[in-house]
Amino acid sequence: AQSVTQLDSHVSVSEGTPVLLRCNYSSSYSPSLFWYVQHPNKGLQLLLKYTSAATLVKGINGFEAEFKKSETSFHLTKPSAHMSDAAEYFCVVSGDSGGYQKVTFGTGTKLQVIP
Amino acid sequence: GAGVSQSPRYKVAKRGQDVALRCDPISGHVSLFWYQQALGQGPEFLTYFQNEAQLDKSGLPSDRFFAERPEGSVSTLKIQRTQQEDSAVYLCASSPVQRESSEQFFGPGTRLTVL
Repeated sequence: AQSVTQLDSHVSVSEGTPVLLRCNYSSSYSPSLFWYVQHPNKGLQLLLKYTSAATLVKGINGFEAEFKKSETSFHLTKPSAHMSDAAEYFCVVSGDSGGYQKVTFGTGTKLQVIP
Repeated sequence: GAGVSQSPRYKVAKRGQDVALRCDPISGHVSLFWYQQALGQGPEFLTYFQNEAQLDKSGLPSDRFFAERPEGSVSTLKIQRTQQEDSAVYLCASSPVQRESSEQFFGPGTRLTVL
């Protein structure tokens, strides 16, 4: 069984300040973890993924996330927010379930960037 | 290159009507997923295909929902006798291999409104 919890449904930051979007997961095996972004009226796009290699993962647009097994966390960060970062962000856990990929999405965090 | 496409992009149905939603995955992609995304929520898994085989349909909410992928490429999600609670965005995603670390490529979705 697996699950993912996004701790904040809404996050508001000022432009140029750091971004932190929190994600905790639960899995009975070593999962892969992903962050996807969904801009209004656009499709979901992969930001980054963790697949048991380096625990600090760098993604597109300056985002990165750190896998912490002891804390079962995979928080998404960015040093300086841009207006274009305003979107909804989904943390996703993926595992092998009887020979095929089982994917579970979090409920999403809506990021607001204030000019 | 061509991504995942879905049609129609928007569908309005009267309660009780049947609808069919189409997904064209990226050519050669083995895995195909359907998700339901209600307003303000994260995508909820509906069903998974590996080539033409439907390996997981545990997320289909009722027997009114049916999906097929007869030749291992295009997939159709059919909803019979639509109800107002079926109103949502239906997302299709494909991935090139069957592995838990595989990135999914998402289509733009079909927004279904049931009146």
